[in-house]
Amino acid sequence: DAKTTQPTSMDCAEGRAANLPCNHSTISGNEYVYWYRQIHSQGPQYIIHGLKNNETNEMASLIITEDRKSSTLILPHATLRDTAVYYCIVRPFGTGANSKLTFGKGITLSVRP
Amino acid sequence: GAGVSQSPRYKVAKRGQDVALRCDPISGHVSLFWYQQALGQGPEFLTYFQNEAQLDKSGLPSDRFFAERPEGSVSTLKIQRTQQEDSAVYLCASLSSGGTYEQYFGPGTRLTVT
Repeated sequence: DAKTTQPTSMDCAEGRAANLPCNHSTISGNEYVYWYRQIHSQGPQYIIHGLKNNETNEMASLIITEDRKSSTLILPHATLRDTAVYYCIVRPFGTGANSKLTFGKGITLSVRP
Repeated sequence: GAGVSQSPRYKVAKRGQDVALRCDPISGHVSLFWYQQALGQGPEFLTYFQNEAQLDKSGLPSDRFFAERPEGSVSTLKIQRTQQEDSAVYLCASLSSGGTYEQYFGPGTRLTVT
């Protein structure tokens, strides 16, 4: 079973920020929060990951609460191409069998013109 | 550089037929994963390779599913005597061995069993 819970869906207007929440109340001390997204008919794509500090890259920002029990993925200026299913996943850092990803159902983000 | 490629992209099989799905990972990636994604669901783990060694096959749903990676690069997922419940997208991913340790996914093979 996935160790995260996400709303089923949300939408936002093009050009506005999209804030996608995730709960991971049972996260372990050695587990990171990873976000992937899956555009229709494509394989999942890595977005960002973090342990306890806020992270930012060219795609998004990740805000993790101090108790690490929840996080928010922020797409600062959503475009129509950001319409996808977004998965929040917790997993140990590194390689090996423990690095397998446990996906839930994700959250479907619909960006409207 | 080239990403993960999978072939065929689409496969239609009659129930009872055997199928073989191929994955070409990113060159140099030691770790390789297979996932199964049913319609409307998130991907589910099937099996994991480190080089040629299959270290985790706990997700394979039955003994009709078999995966191999004989030379530690290309991998093949074989399904024997296909059933309708095997209809799904089969995704392959290879893992970077540094940096973000992110998994790079192929486009998947959509298998339809009729």
